Amino acid sequence: QPVLTQSSSASASLGSSVKLTCTLSSGHSSDIIAWHQQQPGKAPRYLMKVEGSGTYNKGSGVPDRFSGSSSGADRYLTISNLQSEDEADYYCETWDSKGIWVFGGGTKVTVL
Amino acid sequence: EVQLVESGGGLVQPGGSLRLSCTASGFTFSGYSMYWVRQAPGRGLEHVSGISSNGGSTYYANSVKGRFTISRDNSKNTLYLQMGSLRTEDMAVYYCTRRSQAEYYMDVWGRGTTVTVSS
Repeated sequence: QPVLTQSSSASASLGSSVKLTCTLSSGHSSDIIAWHQQQPGKAPRYLMKVEGSGTYNKGSGVPDRFSGSSSGADRYLTISNLQSEDEADYYCETWDSKGIWVFGGGTKVTVL
Repeated sequence: EVQLVESGGGLVQPGGSLRLSCTASGFTFSGYSMYWVRQAPGRGLEHVSGISSNGGSTYYANSVKGRFTISRDNSKNTLYLQMGSLRTEDMAVYYCTRRSQAEYYMDVWGRGTTVTVSS
């Protein structure tokens, strides 16, 4: 089954940018992933899907400053013009052909 | 507005049972596969169980297989999770989620219901 690896934490200053990485395990480098945001004390929220080609499609209402990209087995979530409300945990998600779903361990983003 | 509202969480003793419900609105419930995802205190997210749009196919994580049963009533726009033989490690917030029609990721989340397993 696929494994997703995320850094445990990231930080950046208010108004700057931060780029989060989700790395797919061997044999899954072309797989699609989804990014989810979980603000403190709230339920997760779907942000976007990112394909191996780098194409991304955002969910309804997701601000323009959120974007996705891809390189090899890495899938990225970039947050530009970082705002205080972007302080949250960010999880990536994927699945395989056998019907197994997995989440990455999550990255905690701190806005300085 | 697309919405998922969970209910049924609470305090239960180890070995006990509980049934969670999730009421959907704002979309054609019968057209979507639905899932339960849980989050233990201070931990990450874990897919628990899923069911196809017509209820004919189900998915269970190894950690709950044989103890939990997922079902749905499309006439009531409601998803269920019957949980049995509960363990302390089942203690978590349980989220009802909708699976995207185009791909296999979860594209709508409920607010969650808390299950506490303790004597």
